[in-house]
Amino acid sequence: QKEVEQNSGPLSVPEGAIASLNCTYSDRGSQSFFWYRQYSGKSPELIMFIYSNGDKEDGRFTAQLNKASQYVSLLIRDSQPSDSATYLCAVRDNQGGKLIFGQGTELSVKP
Amino acid sequence: KAGVTQTPRYLIKTRGQQVTLSCSPISGHRSVSWYQQTPGQGLQFLFEYFSETQRNKGNFPGRFSGRQFSNSRSEMNVSTLELGDSALYLCATRLLAGADTQYFGPGTRLTVL
Repeated sequence: QKEVEQNSGPLSVPEGAIASLNCTYSDRGSQSFFWYRQYSGKSPELIMFIYSNGDKEDGRFTAQLNKASQYVSLLIRDSQPSDSATYLCAVRDNQGGKLIFGQGTELSVKP
Repeated sequence: KAGVTQTPRYLIKTRGQQVTLSCSPISGHRSVSWYQQTPGQGLQFLFEYFSETQRNKGNFPGRFSGRQFSNSRSEMNVSTLELGDSALYLCATRLLAGADTQYFGPGTRLTVL
């Protein structure tokens, strides 16, 4: 059973701080990794995707991938109360192409 | 460009009934995937359609079925509804079956009484 694991949280950070969200996956053959943000009562919204080892930056967001450790992370710099949401890590199944999601980490940014 | 649309947005059904949900993809997107989201199980993959053919299927019973039309619109059907089928049903579309960026619709909230 291919799995994606995330800490459920809640993770609470003060406004302006760096929020660090982590994810591990079991399928060593996975090639594509995604972070989605989901506000309460809304559908998931794609934030970033990453394929290669290392960092990928987009504005205040940085995705980090370490395939040897089977680890993906998302850093949110200068966190804002509007970043308060559940963050879902997803991994593309290498065989079937479906997305396998973690349970999500709830982030709360306190003003 | 219009986003993914799903209809209806809310549904209330009773056990034993069946339900059909609809998803219209972003213009030009030909792949449609369906997911079920519940508080206990999270987001789980149901199936994916591309060019009117089912490409992938998750671990759901045969009561869950789907199809895709020539205009890429997709429907999913759940027969003999059970209480545990209460969930948010999300469809997600992408340009091609091999494309990675996938965008979700607003979802259909199904409540089974």
